[in-house]
Amino acid sequence: DAMVIQNPRYQVTQFGKPVTLSCSQTLNHNVMYWYQQKSSQAPKLLFHYYDKDFNNEADTPDNFQSRRPNTSFCFLDIRSPGLGDAAMYLCATSRETGPQETQYFGPGTRLLVL
Amino acid sequence: SQQGEEDPQALSIQEGENATMNCSYKTSINNLQWYRQNSGRGLVHLILIRSNEREKHSGRLRVTLDTSKKSSSLLITASRAADTASYFCAPGGGSNYKLTFGKGTLLTVNP
Repeated sequence: DAMVIQNPRYQVTQFGKPVTLSCSQTLNHNVMYWYQQKSSQAPKLLFHYYDKDFNNEADTPDNFQSRRPNTSFCFLDIRSPGLGDAAMYLCATSRETGPQETQYFGPGTRLLVL
Repeated sequence: SQQGEEDPQALSIQEGENATMNCSYKTSINNLQWYRQNSGRGLVHLILIRSNEREKHSGRLRVTLDTSKKSSSLLITASRAADTASYFCAPGGGSNYKLTFGKGTLLTVNP
């Protein structure tokens, strides 16, 4: 039973063309996260939502935006993708925030920028 | 939040052997989590060990925590080819919500 679903699994876009990645969850968790992971690197947190409250990481570029229209769905919008934005984008959820919370990850969307 | 540093960066073993990977961190923690990532997939939570625990088991996994040395180890016994993955630790402290992952240990289990 899929718990955190990401669509599409692979996304190809052109340099500068806006792209949206989607994430949905069936866990009814309060928190949803977006990570960026480049090849052979650690996943890097971009931002997270606690319910409707948006929390941006200080070093997340303005090019990256997010929307959470309801508990189940969260979107990552890249307004003008550059070649350096090619990466795996991981969505995760947790019941609450805090270091004791387990995060549940989706399978990721691999973004290619041409 | 603080980042864990996994060591070694890469480990290659034969099926049936044990695999040990280590994690070091810098400041005091409340707990430490280990995650696995199969190639091209999301991360999967393996185990959480609290700061007042010294050892924890889950199936073929054994995690130890030495808070005096600020280090943790993950032992996978009787490894299988399906254990081939990257393994990440995430130290957790205070009320910080963030999990900050290191670069991980890439484990390759050869059939």
